[in-house]
Amino acid sequence: DQQVKQNSPSLSVQEGRISILNCDYTNSMFDYFLWYKKYPAEGPTFLISISSIKDKNEDGRFTVFLNKSAKHLSLHIVPSQPGDSAVYFCAAQPGDDKVIFGPGTSLSVIP
Amino acid sequence: NAGVTQTPKFRILKIGQSMTLQCTQDMNHNYMYWYRQDPGMGLKLIYYSVGAGITDKGEVPNGYNVSRSTTEDFPLRLELAAPSQTSVYFCASIFNSNQPQHFGDGTRLSIL
Repeated sequence: DQQVKQNSPSLSVQEGRISILNCDYTNSMFDYFLWYKKYPAEGPTFLISISSIKDKNEDGRFTVFLNKSAKHLSLHIVPSQPGDSAVYFCAAQPGDDKVIFGPGTSLSVIP
Repeated sequence: NAGVTQTPKFRILKIGQSMTLQCTQDMNHNYMYWYRQDPGMGLKLIYYSVGAGITDKGEVPNGYNVSRSTTEDFPLRLELAAPSQTSVYFCASIFNSNQPQHFGDGTRLSIL
């Protein structure tokens, strides 16, 4: 039973356009959400996070939106660059010491 | 500052063999985690530790053991390797909860 879902296994976007990666979760007790980026043969690296008390967090080209009523968050990348091509994992922390990861979305930014 | 270091990077084992995946961090982090990632899947938590001498099971602990004798080291032990344990293993650490995890670059393990 997946508690964090990323229903799009892959996404292709033209360079310079917006990339939107989506994530849904099932447990309304989750209170902290994170996005990680992973290149091949490397470990995931932290990208951006959002607390459940906010509905938006921005860091440069990356913005995360949280819709608590829909149990949905999204990551927007504007403008998309070829170096953004990677696998993006959505993750949630339920308030204890663990993190629950989604299956990931592979983003390809086409020059 | 090396961060989280995992060794080895690659290993091939025969069924029934045992091995230890090493993980060390130099950031004085309290919390450490072991995950496995199978193709097309997210990271599944195997074991975690909130401090030296304390370990707890995650989602998929069967077939694995861990120890945490020091703050820096969190080795993962496979006692009787099985083909189902073929995966990429990641170690991660954080200082306190509700912080982003720092990951190592992974160990790719194949069991034949």
